[in-house]
Amino acid sequence: LAKTTQPISMDSYEGQEVNITCSHNNIATNDYITWYQQFPSQGPRFIIQGYKTKVTNEVASLFIPADRKSSTLSLPRVSLSDTAVYYCLVGGGGTDKLIFGTGTRLQVFP
Amino acid sequence: NAGVMQNPRHLVRRRGQEARLRCSPMKGHSHVYWYRQLPEEGLKFMVYLQKENIIDESGMPKERFSAEFPKEGPSILRIQQVVRGDSAAYFCASSPPDATNEKLFFGSGTQLSVL
Repeated sequence: LAKTTQPISMDSYEGQEVNITCSHNNIATNDYITWYQQFPSQGPRFIIQGYKTKVTNEVASLFIPADRKSSTLSLPRVSLSDTAVYYCLVGGGGTDKLIFGTGTRLQVFP
Repeated sequence: NAGVMQNPRHLVRRRGQEARLRCSPMKGHSHVYWYRQLPEEGLKFMVYLQKENIIDESGMPKERFSAEFPKEGPSILRIQQVVRGDSAAYFCASSPPDATNEKLFFGSGTQLSVL
């Protein structure tokens, strides 16, 4: 299973764009890259998933370079409510269990 | 369409008692995963089940912990003879049977406190 490495914490201010990069050097050919968001006392919530290039939804964008050894979650114009822990996961193939790392704790200041 | 339902939300047990945590997956989902989370830490995988089968229990402690997902009814995570170190948030997640890429839907968790 591919291991992921991401910064432990990041700080930002309201209205700024936040980019969180995750390294996954051992990603397998059939692995997808998925990001989750977790607020205190809640279960993680799916944000975005991609395989290669760029994916965008109403919440975030996900940039994946050609070698797929890293990925960047981009949150446009963050607000205070985006303060949470963000997890990058790599896996796929149906029966793979998803391994969560320690995540990135994003703190947004007014 | 209701999400993943976990109950109880909070569970208090004394050392030596049994804890039963329930998880009802989303409608149509047949894969269930259990994770444990200690304060200020990430989620630790425990077990992955499909209906009536344990697929991967590599994250389960060898003793006192068991999980099931019967043909009918919710998935149950059972902890016998609880100890203080079992105090944690336990999250259940589910995914549909034909998932070719893992996208999990999580419940709100059960916070277990062992006195």
